[in-house]
Amino acid sequence: AQSVSQHNHHVILSEAASLELGCNYSYGGTVNLFWYVQYPGQHLQLLLKYFSGDPLVKGIKGFEAEFIKSKFSFNLRKPSVQWSDTAEYFCAVNAGRAGNMLTFGGGTRLMVKP
Amino acid sequence: EPEVTQTPSHQVTQMGQEVILRCVPISNHLYFYWYRQILGQKVEFLVSFYNNEISEKSEIFDDQFSVERPDGSNFTLKIRSTKLEDSAMYFCASRDSPPVAFGSGTRLTVV
Repeated sequence: AQSVSQHNHHVILSEAASLELGCNYSYGGTVNLFWYVQYPGQHLQLLLKYFSGDPLVKGIKGFEAEFIKSKFSFNLRKPSVQWSDTAEYFCAVNAGRAGNMLTFGGGTRLMVKP
Repeated sequence: EPEVTQTPSHQVTQMGQEVILRCVPISNHLYFYWYRQILGQKVEFLVSFYNNEISEKSEIFDDQFSVERPDGSNFTLKIRSTKLEDSAMYFCASRDSPPVAFGSGTRLTVV
């Protein structure tokens, strides 16, 4: 069974600091990879996704993520965070088959201090 | 932009009662899902639904749960006899091609 690990549970940064959130998955086959964000009181929103091709994917709001197949990782990055990035971030994996479920990591709660 | 809508946003029910959580997926989507998130825990897959039948379900989705697409637009999750541990945020999601789009969730509190 596939699993997803996010090792940072809580991250506190000051504005303009750089961000990297770790995500590792365990599944040997073809995967689709996602990062979702959940702002306080709101629903899950897609930040970015990787299906195939260039392993460095760019998403909304200046976020990017790099798929490193050899490390089973899909870390999320942002060069300079803003207070409005305060939210919970979820990495998710889909085993590349139509209709298949998403397996989520435990989430990382990011707080950005103004 | 089309959205997945869920009603109600918050429901409180007594243990042992039946609840129905409602979702209206995006209209041209073909795959429908329910996920739940118990407070402080991971978002967990419950069930996927395609072509008017369940295509996949997790261990959580036992006989007390059922899903239905009663009228071609709504997608419902029924919990027959609620337990305290069913208290969670329930998310509906739908998609045509990946990725899924999520609704804003229904917070279910069982007392």
